[in-house]
Amino acid sequence: EAQVTQNPRYLITVTGKKLTVTCSQNMNHEYMSWYRQDPGLGLRQIYYSMNVEVTDKGDVPEGYKVSRKEKRNFPLILESPSPNQTSLYFCASSLEGAVLNEQFFGPGTRLTVL
Amino acid sequence: QQPVQSPQAVILREGEDAVINCSSSKALYSVHWYRQKHGEAPVFLMILLKGGEQKGHEKISASFNEKKQQSSLYLTASQLSYSGTYFCGSNSGGSNYKLTFGKGTLLTVNP
Repeated sequence: EAQVTQNPRYLITVTGKKLTVTCSQNMNHEYMSWYRQDPGLGLRQIYYSMNVEVTDKGDVPEGYKVSRKEKRNFPLILESPSPNQTSLYFCASSLEGAVLNEQFFGPGTRLTVL
Repeated sequence: QQPVQSPQAVILREGEDAVINCSSSKALYSVHWYRQKHGEAPVFLMILLKGGEQKGHEKISASFNEKKQQSSLYLTASQLSYSGTYFCGSNSGGSNYKLTFGKGTLLTVNP
């Protein structure tokens, strides 16, 4: 089944404790992206990747890191999480650039930073 | 800068029509529409590209006015399953592969 998976689905952590949210897709998509969703603010893009080893900032990249060492994986790293990073995070992928193609979203990761 | 969606919320009775608008302060290359049901991930509806090309589901219709930098999503003869939050996303083209979404429009369809 074609899908985007994220782990964990739910995470409660404390300020400053490094964490990684994994994202994997099995559709051989080149483009992958991370979004955060907060009430009243919609979906905001954090980082995106056009292909392996090619990443770029979205609209809200501060406090986040990403890497794309393999085509199927695009982990989101929070080196020192803060309470303002409490949010619902979505990973998405598309065949090529998101501007031309349908994005497939993962199920979401709900992160709480205390 | 996020595109602006209007209205923020709309309530319909089954069978009624609705229009959701999306406008940008920047020139647009593409506009994307997604629907998100409560507790679920966003799901693709349509992409409209500069020049008139459209990709999406046959039952959904939308327009893209490049001069006005606006797009509208048309929901006709609404069904209960249309309920959810609708997001438009915009891209200004060139070497920019960022996709910026609006804040969403909450659509509620009642029996």
